[in-house]
Amino acid sequence: GQSLEQPSEVTAVEGAIVQINCTYQTSGFYGLSWYQQHDGGAPTFLSYNALDGLEETGRFSSFLSRSDSYGYLLLQELQMKDSASYFCAVGSGANNLFFGTGTRLTVIP
Amino acid sequence: NAGVTQTPKFQVLKTGQSMTLQCAQDMNHEYMSWYRQDPGMGLRLIHYSVGAGITDQGEVPNGYNVSRSTTEDFPLRLLSAAPSQTSVYFCAIREASGGNSPLHFGNGTRLTVT
Repeated sequence: GQSLEQPSEVTAVEGAIVQINCTYQTSGFYGLSWYQQHDGGAPTFLSYNALDGLEETGRFSSFLSRSDSYGYLLLQELQMKDSASYFCAVGSGANNLFFGTGTRLTVIP
Repeated sequence: NAGVTQTPKFQVLKTGQSMTLQCAQDMNHEYMSWYRQDPGMGLRLIHYSVGAGITDQGEVPNGYNVSRSTTEDFPLRLLSAAPSQTSVYFCAIREASGGNSPLHFGNGTRLTVT
């Protein structure tokens, strides 16, 4: 089976940097993904890591360490619009994604 | 969300009623899936399909049926609704290659069972 752990809530100041951690257990690893979801909206894809290291996409970066079963999402130059829930997800067989319970990020002025 | 259309957006059912949640896509993706989202539980996979005529169970399949007669459509059926099925339901699709292929989600159906 799969299990993922991430903090339930994080608060950060506008303009700052925030890191959201995710640890996982899975039988058969097919990459770690991150999704963003605003209140009342649908999840949207942010990033994907199949190999160890850092992937950067604009203000967002994602890191993976397969040996530690650990990854994180790094958000830089925080903006108010970044207030949302962030989900890590691990890939499993048959292209399925299993999601963590989500981290609610609140950006304050 | 472009490419994935879910209907209805909202639905209220009484216990024991049946209904079908519709999901249609115009991206010609082989993989389609249904998730439910409950507060504090994240997104949980109900059923999925890797192509027309092929379906399989996810984490929480009980109480739900699916079929995939065409590439475009993947309806989710509740045969006898229960209050425990009150949730937000998302249909999601991706290219069959998986891996770094992202999931595209519909806008969701908010279901209340009384």
